[in-house]
Amino acid sequence: EVQLVQSGAEVKKPGESLKISCKGSGYSFTSYWIGWLRQMPGKGLEWMGIIYPGDSDTRYSPSFQGQVTISADKSISTADLQWSSLKPSDTAVYFCARQAHDSAIDYWGQGTLVTVSS
Amino acid sequence: EVVMTQSPATLSVSPGEGATLSCRASQSVSSNLAWYQQKPGQAPRLLIYGASTRATGIPARFSGSGSGTEFTLTISSLQSEDFAVYYCQQYNNWPDTFGGGTKVEIK
Repeated sequence: EVQLVQSGAEVKKPGESLKISCKGSGYSFTSYWIGWLRQMPGKGLEWMGIIYPGDSDTRYSPSFQGQVTISADKSISTADLQWSSLKPSDTAVYFCARQAHDSAIDYWGQGTLVTVSS
Repeated sequence: EVVMTQSPATLSVSPGEGATLSCRASQSVSSNLAWYQQKPGQAPRLLIYGASTRATGIPARFSGSGSGTEFTLTISSLQSEDFAVYYCQQYNNWPDTFGGGTKVEIK
């Protein structure tokens, strides 16, 4: 069974750093893209970026380029999303998702709520 | 970036009735269009990919059509579990982009 399991909810202060994770299982982790998406409270879905764990090819949506870092460790089938300095506007639910090349998202993580507040 | 526009924003439907949701792309995305359903507090679920192919386990009452810039998701007879928000997504051009969503609510 394919599963993407994300790390738990986080509460942080502005300016703090954060890394959240997404562990894949039940499939060949290096054969699919893993993407990160943001859903702000009461809003829609936004692609942040995507990584191919097989060769670490990474692409960022222009809106998120330079704002976050996406990485993957194929030895532990885990992808990460990292911030160096959080802002209150980063408060959102973040989903990881699996995507085959030039295809739709077929599996989603359960989501990680990140709250940034002083 | 391809802009996806969904209409209407909210659709009020009685159980058992049909519903038609629309999605328009700002440029052609061929048939590289997916539909997702999202319920409160849950991750989205893939319904349709390739504009018209149902994902595994999706009931036949869900159907998708269209190509190029105009797409439609049709739910033939709404069940209680179908009241949710629906998103279209193009994956023809990076960054993949989503429409703003259509909320299907009980009338």
